[in-house]
Amino acid sequence: GAVVSQHPSWVICKSGTSVKIECRSLDFQATTMFWYRQFPKQSLMLMATSNEGSKATYEQGVEKDKFLINHASLTLSTLTVTSAHPEDSSFYICSARSGQGRGTEAFFGQGTRLTVV
Amino acid sequence: AQSVTQLDSHVSVSEGTPVLLRCNYSSSYSPSLFWYVQHPNKGLQLLLKYTSAATLVKGINGFEAEFKKSETSFHLTKPSAHMSDAAEYFCVVSEPSGTYNYIFGTGTRLKVLA
Repeated sequence: GAVVSQHPSWVICKSGTSVKIECRSLDFQATTMFWYRQFPKQSLMLMATSNEGSKATYEQGVEKDKFLINHASLTLSTLTVTSAHPEDSSFYICSARSGQGRGTEAFFGQGTRLTVV
Repeated sequence: AQSVTQLDSHVSVSEGTPVLLRCNYSSSYSPSLFWYVQHPNKGLQLLLKYTSAATLVKGINGFEAEFKKSETSFHLTKPSAHMSDAAEYFCVVSEPSGTYNYIFGTGTRLKVLA
């Protein structure tokens, strides 16, 4: 299957700093990328959907000024957690799809474990 | 609205015995359904998908799932569990609107006993 690379796999940062997470589709062009947050032993919570070249669509309750998403190319999307606080510590996962058909599968990155101290 | 319910949050089986992970969905349309597996601190890997073709879908690592419209179910099975199957499994329905976003079940943690 297609490969989605997410980097870094883990990061520790100080409270108040910003952290950028990259999500790359390595062998296909991703028209749509998704960012999820996963709390321990819970399912994935969709944070936002981004289409290349347009603004991301955020889910209700997700602060767009805190979680900045950029999808500047068909192979790269970034999530920046601005002014991170300990409550932002979580596992963040991106996924990418090459189309929008009903059966189009999404490919997931390996996730990023963010710890804010 | 679409929804998906994974009936068991935890399932334990002995190595070599069958695996059954249950999933029921709610949909006003003909859905697309997926099963993904997640190992600890890893991303999700697609096991199999149903998109309105054959109702019995075969996936990787010996897994298969059967789409039963009358029961609105898409249960995941495997004849013989391996230790490496221990992981979290997610049933997903793709909603037929907009960008066909995924709706995730709450997950089932599979434990395989030696």
